[in-house]
Amino acid sequence: DVKVTQSSRYLVKRTGEKVFLECVQDMDHENMFWYRQDPGLGLRLIYFSYDVKMKEKGDIPEGYSVSREKKERFSLILESASTNQTSMYLCASSSFLGTSENKGNTIYFGEGSWLTVV
Amino acid sequence: AQTVTQSQPEMSVQEAETVTLSCTYDTSESNYYLFWYKQPPSRQMILVIRQEAYKQQNATENRFSVNFQKAAKSFSLKISDSQLGDTAMYFCAFGKTGNQFYFGTGTSLTVIP
Repeated sequence: DVKVTQSSRYLVKRTGEKVFLECVQDMDHENMFWYRQDPGLGLRLIYFSYDVKMKEKGDIPEGYSVSREKKERFSLILESASTNQTSMYLCASSSFLGTSENKGNTIYFGEGSWLTVV
Repeated sequence: AQTVTQSQPEMSVQEAETVTLSCTYDTSESNYYLFWYKQPPSRQMILVIRQEAYKQQNATENRFSVNFQKAAKSFSLKISDSQLGDTAMYFCAFGKTGNQFYFGTGTSLTVIP
């Protein structure tokens, strides 16, 4: 089974703190994603990466950065946390759709990280 | 740009009944993938069913089936014999060849005993 593991399920941070959310996948997937999920807004893409050291901005990149130094690991960084970043963060991974049936032509999600900024 | 629309924010169904969740999408792509994901209260998002656009036959997974209307850009999910464990948020998603995924805003389904 594909495993996408997010290191922290629940975090409480103070305004202004630097926050790291870590994600590891074990499927040798090229793509990795960070989404933010808020009620009524669905999943909004923050950043994605299609290769080591490569990143692309999603729909809501402001206030976030990412790092992908190894293929299996994708980190989301909040340089200076603010209360409006209180949310659930979902990491996901996938192969390139349409190219690798044995890696699953779909996107796989971690369990999510609940971040509260006070 | 691709958009995915789920027009039913909330739905409910009696246990053992059938329910259909709607999804429409907009794209100019000719080949793509469509998905339904389930997110129960535990929050782990899991794949329910997948449809490849070039396949005319509707996908089926046990009690879950889709009605894929490519010309109408419609992709509805039918859940038969609803069970309490089907209570969850359901997301419709569109995937372009490569690495682009687009999600709807979700439909919250409650199965009533």
